[in-house]
Parts: sequence; C-alpha cells; structure tokens
Amino acid sequence: EAQVTQNPRYLITVTGKKLTVTCSQNMNHEYMSWYRQDPGLGLRQIYYSMNVEVTDKGDVPEGYKVSRKEKRNFPLILESPSPNQTSLYFCASSSGTGRFPYNEQFFGPGTRLTVL
Amino acid sequence: GESVGLHLPTLSVQEGDNSIINCAYSNSASDYFIWYKQESGKGPQFIIDIRSNMDKRQGQRVTVLLNKTVKHLSLQIAATQPGDSAVYFCAERTGGFKTIFGAGTRLFVKA
Repeated sequence: EAQVTQNPRYLITVTGKKLTVTCSQNMNHEYMSWYRQDPGLGLRQIYYSMNVEVTDKGDVPEGYKVSRKEKRNFPLILESPSPNQTSLYFCASSSGTGRFPYNEQFFGPGTRLTVL
Repeated sequence: GESVGLHLPTLSVQEGDNSIINCAYSNSASDYFIWYKQESGKGPQFIIDIRSNMDKRQGQRVTVLLNKTVKHLSLQIAATQPGDSAVYFCAERTGGFKTIFGAGTRLFVKA
C-alpha cells in the first residue's frame, strides 16, 4: 500500500530533551516536507526537500533540523524542544519534481507532540 | 479527536445541497493551487488542484474556480453528503515547492 508513515504518533517530552520524528514514504517520491498544525493557523511548512541531500527552509524552520540521506526517509529533529513546539506535525511527499512541480502531496497520519 | 479545528470559519449545509467554500490566497505569483480535506484524526487528503493558467477545473462532485484578478479560490461540492463533513484547506504553491496553506473552513453537513 502506498503510504507515508510517521513515528511516533504521540510523544510527550520535556524541554531540552532532543527528539527525532521519523517519516518514511514508499512511493519513490522526490519531494518531502514537514508541516506543523496549530489551532486556527492551518498548516505551516517547516522544511522541505526536493531530493536527496537537498533541503530548504519553509515558513517556520526555527528550532528544527532535517536531513535527507535517503530518498524514502526525511526525519525531523528537535535538538532542544521547547513548549512552543507543542503541535501536531505532518510529513508529506509528492512525485513533483523541479521541472514539473504540479503534483499533490500525500500526508502521513500525524505526530502529536507535547513539550512540557 | 484533534483540536486543530478550533476557531475556524464554519459552513453548515443540508445534506443534498451544494456547498461553496472560499479561500483568499496571498501571493499573486503562485502558480498552482490545491484543495485538501482533513477529517478528524487524519492527515490532509488531496481533493482537486488547478494551475494558474486555468480558471475552472471539475472533478467528481467537486469544482474548483480560480479568480486571479482578486486572488480568490473556491471549492464547490455538489450534492453534499455527511461524509463530506471535515475541515477544508486551500493551499498555494509559490516558487516551486514552498507551500502555503489557508487557515481552513469547517464544513458541517446536516442530515
């Protein structure tokens, strides 16, 4: 089944404790992206990647890191989480490429993160 | 359920009626627009898209209209069903792969 998977689905942590949220897709998509979703704000893009070893900042990259060492995986890293990073996080992938960026994004099921 | 729908504009329609959800986008240079549906506890799901060189596109029971003059996008759902109840987001793609989402509209379908 074609899908985007995220782990963990739920996480409660404390301020300053490094964490990684994994994202994996099995559709051979070049494009992957991370979003956070907060009440009344819709989805805001954190980082995106157009291919292996190619990443770029979205609208809200502060406090986050990403890496794209393999095509299928795009982990989101919070080096020192803070309470304002409590949110619902979504990973997405798309078959769109730089030459033809007109493709829908497929979203994972979400990761609910609480930072105390 | 998730709390992401708090404070959203809400549209309430009777089952069988047509729904129109509106969206104002921000960047006149955006060249690709997408509508997503998000049900409680799930990630957004693609509904329909449109490129900036078009002003209308139809899918199964859904139509997207684009008015670039006033930077307005709308989603029309024909014969709305209870399963259409969800939060609907418009998204614009600017400069290749940077994507900006609207705040969303909650659609309630009354049986």
